[in-house]
Amino acid sequence: DTEVTQTPKHLVMGMTNKKSLKCEQHMGHRAMYWYKQKAKKPPELMFVYSYEKLSINESVPSRFSPECPNSSLLNLHLHALQPEDSALYLCASSQDSGDRKFTLNTGELFFGEGSRLTVL
Amino acid sequence: GQSLEQPSEVTAVEGAIVQINCTYQTSGFYGLSWYQQHDGGAPTFLSYNALDGLEETGRFSSFLSRSDSYGYLLLQELQMKDSASYFCARFYSKTSYDKVIFGPGTSLSVIP
Repeated sequence: DTEVTQTPKHLVMGMTNKKSLKCEQHMGHRAMYWYKQKAKKPPELMFVYSYEKLSINESVPSRFSPECPNSSLLNLHLHALQPEDSALYLCASSQDSGDRKFTLNTGELFFGEGSRLTVL
Repeated sequence: GQSLEQPSEVTAVEGAIVQINCTYQTSGFYGLSWYQQHDGGAPTFLSYNALDGLEETGRFSSFLSRSDSYGYLLLQELQMKDSASYFCARFYSKTSYDKVIFGPGTSLSVIP
């Protein structure tokens, strides 16, 4: 299984709503990522989890709250979003090469199809 | 710094060869990946270089020169389906995690 599965595929929410995006992988990858992508722009890194611990928060506003319940799952909790937060949210996973004795860095991120979020 | 630079648009003829360049700032650099993304789709991995030289995968090749802080993606025998956005992504690893930052992307248009 080389898939990263994201749900929902589409989400429309109001600025006062609370919703969550979910991501799942069963490749045994220990690094998982959230990216945000606006139209005609590159993916923009938001968060990195390594071995279920938050390793990177790229100064993301607190209305975005990540969670890694276990090594296969990654959530992104959304609360009080703004219309400018409308974007495609991509989850990715990779072999974590931090422990170089045991892993080979192939340089590959496996992306899910994304969750397209619209904030009204 | 983490910034990367790529040409914003490239147009090439079907069957031809095209090269997409990427320059990066050296600090913290570990490796360079290339991704393809069609409109409405997810990025898909094409190639990766951690060492100097050429990596070949079918019609796609990628090159890295660490001394020049420069890499490129080479697409041969272009097909219409190769029309997409192409991103270089710098990869750097700390002792406990990896971080991947994407370049601005190059929109490739393949014309008949």
